[in-house]
Amino acid sequence: DIQMTQSPSSVSASVGDRVTLTCRASQDISRWLAWYQQKPGKAPKLLIYAASYLQSGVPSRYSGSGSGTEFTLTISNLQPEDFATYYCQHASSSGLAFGGGTRVEIK
Amino acid sequence: EVQVVESGGGLVQAGRSLRLSCAASGFTFGDFAMSWVRQAPGKGLEWVGLLRSKPYGGTTEYAASVQGRFSISIDDSNTIAYLQINSLKTEDTAIYYCARKISTGGWYFDYWGQGTVVTVSS
Repeated sequence: DIQMTQSPSSVSASVGDRVTLTCRASQDISRWLAWYQQKPGKAPKLLIYAASYLQSGVPSRYSGSGSGTEFTLTISNLQPEDFATYYCQHASSSGLAFGGGTRVEIK
Repeated sequence: EVQVVESGGGLVQAGRSLRLSCAASGFTFGDFAMSWVRQAPGKGLEWVGLLRSKPYGGTTEYAASVQGRFSISIDDSNTIAYLQINSLKTEDTAIYYCARKISTGGWYFDYWGQGTVVTVSS
């Protein structure tokens, strides 16, 4: 099974900062990767799919990149509503896998 | 408006069974694939299982950790998806989310329910 590893597990940042989160796959997954945002007590929200496609309605300060085994989610000009936990997710013929998450906290 | 709403959670003794429901509005599960994802208290997201749409055979896949105990199905109207959980274990305690797969390629999920809480007591 493919394992997804996110780093860092948490990051402290200030409003206006640029933040980059990383997700690594245990083997080549091409661009089959999504990013979700989850706030406490809420369901996950799809931000990015196919590594770099912005889901409808998601602010353009979010961007995704990468292919193969290494992927990044970048949040430019961090806003108060962006403080949350972010998960990457991959799907293969054998099933789906989520990364462990990265918590973005207020500095 | 597209919505998914889960129900059926509760406090259950270990070893018992439980059936969770996911009601769709604004679409049908016959046309869209779906998945169940759970989140144990204070933990990350864990994929549980998926159901392919009817044009793709309506087949299911499950995580190894629940294979043989969990089963996904849909009702005849294709508007309710079920997650049958048998032989409940304390480690099944979690919020269970139902999510709809996006209409384009790739197993990504654009609509999620609010979740239903399952607590398994020993």
